Amino acid sequence: DADVTQTPRNRITKTGKRIMLECSQTKGHDRMYWYRQDPGLGLQLIYYSFDVKDINKGEISDGYSVSRQAQAKFSLSLESAIPNQTALYFCATSDSGTGNNEQYFGPGTRLTVT
Amino acid sequence: SQELEQSPQSLIVQEGKNLTINCTSSKTLYGLYWYKQKYGEGLIFLMMLQKGGEEKSHEKITAKLDEKKQQSSLHITASQPSHAGIYLCGADSGGYQKVTFGIGTKLQVIP
Repeated sequence: DADVTQTPRNRITKTGKRIMLECSQTKGHDRMYWYRQDPGLGLQLIYYSFDVKDINKGEISDGYSVSRQAQAKFSLSLESAIPNQTALYFCATSDSGTGNNEQYFGPGTRLTVT
Repeated sequence: SQELEQSPQSLIVQEGKNLTINCTSSKTLYGLYWYKQKYGEGLIFLMMLQKGGEEKSHEKITAKLDEKKQQSSLHITASQPSHAGIYLCGADSGGYQKVTFGIGTKLQVIP
């Protein structure tokens, strides 16, 4: 079984709809991240969480919100989706106990907003 | 903020050829990570470098962090079609709390 899972894997939604992307991990890591990837722009950090009560904005948090329901679960919400939020979204985890930022990524969610 | 520039942006090589991908940082690198991504899929961790002059190898892939700690190179020896994908470098930033990523280098290996 995959260590970091994301659901759904693909989603098409309409402008203005609220949508939630979910991430679960079985690695026992305390840190979790949400990124989006766009062609030519690389990976951009949306939000990150160092534990259940510690959530921080990344570079591009506008239009997004997150919830860390448990150490193993971190969900990303688009309150009112817009076409320029069409992208590939990745969840990642890391272990603060290692002293480095080696991150483990989920398979990604391809989101299309029409 | 730290910026990472990868070169080349894309690369097409014949199977069996060697190749090098570079990652240059605007600031001193304290932790440098290399990942591989198959098209449209998640990133797979390859290697981490932390010390200037450090060199690590995994199968036919070798990564180095230069002495001045502002550049890293990824070298693939005798490339194979299985090496095809996007290679991304990432660097510790924000006091080791976050990783900044380069845009990536797209590698195609022609049989």
